[in-house]
Amino acid sequence: DAKTTQPPSMDCAEGRAANLPCNHSTISGNEYVYWYRQIHSQGPQYIIHGLKNNETNEMASLIITEDRKSSTLILPHATLRDTAVYYCIVRGYSGNTPLVFGKGTRLSVIA
Amino acid sequence: DTGVSQDPRHKITKRGQNVTFRCDPISEHNRLYWYRQTLGQGPEFLTYFQNEAQLEKSRLLSDRFSAERPKGSFSTLEIQRTEQGDSAMYLCASSADRASTEAFFGQGTRLTVV
Repeated sequence: DAKTTQPPSMDCAEGRAANLPCNHSTISGNEYVYWYRQIHSQGPQYIIHGLKNNETNEMASLIITEDRKSSTLILPHATLRDTAVYYCIVRGYSGNTPLVFGKGTRLSVIA
Repeated sequence: DTGVSQDPRHKITKRGQNVTFRCDPISEHNRLYWYRQTLGQGPEFLTYFQNEAQLEKSRLLSDRFSAERPKGSFSTLEIQRTEQGDSAMYLCASSADRASTEAFFGQGTRLTVV
């Protein structure tokens, strides 16, 4: 079973920041937080992952709380192409375990 | 294109027929995963290979399902005696054999059993 909790859906105005929350209160010390998204009828796309420090790449920023029990994925300037289902996943450090997906958050970016 | 490749992209088959899907991972990726996704659900894990060794299988992988990765490169997923409940998107992913690394997914094979 997924070890994360996400809201089922969110809306965001085009051009604004999209902040997607995720709760992972049972996360272990060696587990990473991964974010993927899935645009309709495509395979999941890797976005970002982190352990405890905030991370940023060309797609998004990941903010992890100090107690690591929750995190937020930030898309700084959402576009219509960011409309997708976003999955927050907790996974062990070794990386040799499969990603366990929940139902994710369906983000709708509105013009 | 150096991403994960899956073939075919779409497959329609009659109930009771056997089908086989192929996945070509990113070159030199040792780890390979198969997932199944039905409408409105997140992907569900089916099985995992480290090189040619099948290390983990989900209880979702019934006796009618078999996966192979004979030379540690491409993989095949076969479904025997297909049922309507097998209709789903079948996704393949690969990753490098190192800690805290991301997995990359293919575009999937959509199976429709009629």
